[in-house]
Amino acid sequence: AQTVTQSQPEMSVQEAETVTLSCTYDTSENNYYLFWYKQPPSRQMILVIRQEAYKQQNATENRFSVNFQKAAKSFSLKISDSQLGDTAMYFCASRVGGNYKLTFGKGTLLTVNP
Amino acid sequence: DTGVSQDPRHKITKRGQNVTFRCDPISEHNRLYWYRQTLGQGPEFLTYFQNEAQLEKSRLLSDRFSAERPKGSFSTLEIQRTEQGDSAMYLCASSLWDSLRETQYFGPGTRLLVL
Repeated sequence: AQTVTQSQPEMSVQEAETVTLSCTYDTSENNYYLFWYKQPPSRQMILVIRQEAYKQQNATENRFSVNFQKAAKSFSLKISDSQLGDTAMYFCASRVGGNYKLTFGKGTLLTVNP
Repeated sequence: DTGVSQDPRHKITKRGQNVTFRCDPISEHNRLYWYRQTLGQGPEFLTYFQNEAQLEKSRLLSDRFSAERPKGSFSTLEIQRTEQGDSAMYLCASSLWDSLRETQYFGPGTRLLVL
């Protein structure tokens, strides 16, 4: 069974600063995918970034990047130049290759302060 | 691409009543998923369809829950004899399964409150 753990229930950051959200996961599979989803208040969840486990290079999407440490089973999200619109619940999720369902962590509520 | 839509967005019902939710996926997406999200938790998988076939149901999905996807388009999730423990956000997601790079796109959810 897969598990995803987010140990930071809440975090805050000042606008324009950088923040890192932590995520660890556990799987016995070699082929899997990792995701960060963002769920703004009262709005739908959107995909922020994804990482294929077989890729050594860390994924980057504009201000969002990940630090994927496969041996440590760690998958943290770094948000640079934080903006007020980044305020949201952030969920880390995993999916085993060839499988279908996402397994989510409990989420981290990020607040960006002006 | 208008995104995944869900109806209603909010539902308040009394214990013992039946409720039905609808999900309209992104057009041409062949996979459709239902998840449940309770307060303070991440979404948990309930069931999924590939086209019109329901291929997997979680143990979370008791006999009171039934889902359909007629003609492989929209899907409905019905809860019979609702219980207070059914109160949650019900999320629908869809994807185009054409490779292992599948990405699930989520709808806004239906928030259910059982009194």
